[in-house]
Amino acid sequence: AQTVTQSQPEMSVQEAETVTLSCTYDTSESNYYLFWYKQPPSRQMILVIRQEAYKQQNATENRFSVNFQKAAKSFSLKISDSQLGDTAMYFCAFMRNTGNQFYFGTGTSLTVIP
Amino acid sequence: DAGVIQSPRHEVTEMGQEVTLRCKPISGHNSLFWYRQTMMRGLELLIYFNNNVPIDDSGMPEDRFSAKMPNASFSTLKIQPSEPRDSAVYFCASSFRMSYSGNTIYFGEGSWLTVV
Repeated sequence: AQTVTQSQPEMSVQEAETVTLSCTYDTSESNYYLFWYKQPPSRQMILVIRQEAYKQQNATENRFSVNFQKAAKSFSLKISDSQLGDTAMYFCAFMRNTGNQFYFGTGTSLTVIP
Repeated sequence: DAGVIQSPRHEVTEMGQEVTLRCKPISGHNSLFWYRQTMMRGLELLIYFNNNVPIDDSGMPEDRFSAKMPNASFSTLKIQPSEPRDSAVYFCASSFRMSYSGNTIYFGEGSWLTVV
């Protein structure tokens, strides 16, 4: 079974600073997909970034980037120049290449402090 | 492009009543998911469909819950009879899945259910 672990239930960061959210996962698969979703207070689940395991290059989307360490099964999210609108719950998710089910972590609640 | 559309956005109902949640996936998507989110249990996958066929319903909590997908553009999640412990946010999500590759799932805005 696949598991996704987010060991930081809550984090905070000063506005304009950089913060890194951790995620580890457990799988025996060699090819899979990893995602970070953001859930602001409105509860909408918004895709932040996606990484294919077969790609060595870390994905980047504007201020959001990942550090994907396949051997260590680690997939952290770095948010640069944090903004107040980044305040949200962040979920790490795993999807097998041969399946269609997403496995979500328990989330990290991020607060950006003005 | 329209995203995943869910209705109702908010529902308050009395214990014992039937609740029906509706979902319209993104046009062209062939997979549909129903998730439930609570503080205690986080995000739980209830059921997912591929090409309108239920593939995995092992997350459906009990017989009071049922889901249907009569066509590619519509799905329902029904709770009958509803209980206070069913209070949660119910998300519908969809994706386009090819045979040997995964794809991103896109979520609706959720249906907030309160059973009193």
